[in-house]
Amino acid sequence: GENVEQHPSTLSVQEGDSAVIKCTYSDSASNYFPWYKQELGKGPQLIIDIRSNVGEKKDQRIAVTLNKTAKHFSLHITETQPEDSAVYFCAARPPSGTYKYIFGTGTRLKVLA
Amino acid sequence: SQTIHQWPATLVQPVGSPLSLECTVEGTSNPNLYWYRQAAGRGLQLLFYSVGIGQISSEVPQNLSASRPQDRQFILSSKKLLLSDSGFYLCACRTGGAEGYTFGSGTRLTVV
Repeated sequence: GENVEQHPSTLSVQEGDSAVIKCTYSDSASNYFPWYKQELGKGPQLIIDIRSNVGEKKDQRIAVTLNKTAKHFSLHITETQPEDSAVYFCAARPPSGTYKYIFGTGTRLKVLA
Repeated sequence: SQTIHQWPATLVQPVGSPLSLECTVEGTSNPNLYWYRQAAGRGLQLLFYSVGIGQISSEVPQNLSASRPQDRQFILSSKKLLLSDSGFYLCACRTGGAEGYTFGSGTRLTVV
């Protein structure tokens, strides 16, 4: 079955710097890759996603890139702000038809003021 | 857009006691519903999913069960809790042509 690895597990950056979180997946047939942001004590919220037929997607300060050949995708946050501090999860969706996502283990991002 | 309600927000239960966590969805119909568990320092593990009333699929063997008595109601249960059942339980919903999940706010369960 699908397996998703996520790195790093923790990441500290200075405010205004960029942050990059990387994920690799094992099932080459996976076709959808969302990223979720989880603030303390809350459920994860979808922040950006990408489909397998697209190489890059941007939404203001966040972007996701996908390399299908290497089976990895990354989240890029530019001009980080303190409110970006949270746990970020990547996920991959194998084409099973039931929309069961396989999640990475999460990255705790701390933006230092 | 849909809204997911989960309760309670926190729960402390003794080992061997029963459990019932409820998740209800508003603003949509015929959703796919999911229960995930997030253990400390770990990712999100899929426990159960349901594509309709009375239809439950279990992803991992465990001490828990799930039921879907109504279209927008998903319940996670246990007859006797174990210490290893501690964690953060999340209900998620996916509807229509949407790709992503909407998550509830979660229940933090501590078994003592």
